[in-house]
Amino acid sequence: AQSVTQLDSHVSVSEGTPVLLRCNYSSSYSPSLFWYVQHPNKGLQLLLKYTSAATLVKGINGFEAEFKKSETSFHLTKPSAHMSDAAEYFCVVSKMNRDDKIIFGKGTRLHILP
Amino acid sequence: KAGVTQTPRYLIKTRGQQVTLSCSPISGHRSVSWYQQTPGQGLQFLFEYFSETQRNKGNFPGRFSGRQFSNSRSEMNVSTLELGDSALYLCASRANSGLQTEAFFGQGTRLTVV
Repeated sequence: AQSVTQLDSHVSVSEGTPVLLRCNYSSSYSPSLFWYVQHPNKGLQLLLKYTSAATLVKGINGFEAEFKKSETSFHLTKPSAHMSDAAEYFCVVSKMNRDDKIIFGKGTRLHILP
Repeated sequence: KAGVTQTPRYLIKTRGQQVTLSCSPISGHRSVSWYQQTPGQGLQFLFEYFSETQRNKGNFPGRFSGRQFSNSRSEMNVSTLELGDSALYLCASRANSGLQTEAFFGQGTRLTVV
C-alpha cells in the first residue's frame, strides 16, 4: 500500500530565508516521487521528480529535494524564499505496476512574510 | 505549444442532474487523467485514459465515468449529482501512459452542486 504524509499544513518563512517542506511516504514498491506547486486559481505545475536516479533532485525555481530511503522522506527545500513562492505544495507518490496508483499529500500552504 | 485546456471553467448544477466536463490535452499527448480536489479530501485520482482506453481507475463510484476520443480529448461525466461532488476537477495530460511520468495540469473546472 502507498501513502504520503505532508507533515505541515502551513509553513511561514520570511523572504530571503530557507524553505523546508516535509514529506514522508510509504510504498511497497520502489516509488516515483514528485513535488507539484499550485498557485491560486491555477492548475498544478511540476517542480521536480525522483525516479530512482540521483537521490538529490534539482527542480525549477531553485527548489530541490532529497530522497532518503532510510527515513522514507522526500523533503522539499529552497535556500532563499521569494514572495512568488507563496502557493500550495503537494508531495505525490506513484508506482509503476500493472495497477498504477498515484497518491497526493494533503498539501502544505507556504506563506512568505515580507 | 498550447497547454491543457479544460472547459467550462465554472459550472453550477442542481442535485440529481448530470454534468459533462471536457479536457483537451497538450498536442501529441495521448494520456489524460482526471482528479478531484476538495478542501476535505484533498486531491484524489479519478481515472486515466490512454489511446481511448481506461488504463487506471481510482476509488470513485460508478456515477463518475469518462471517455477519450481519437484526438485524445477527454470528457468526464458525473451522473446524479450530489452536494459532495462540489469540487475543483483537474485534468492532466501526459506524453505517455503511466502515472509515474510527468503530468501537465489544466486550470480545472470548478463544479458547484446546489
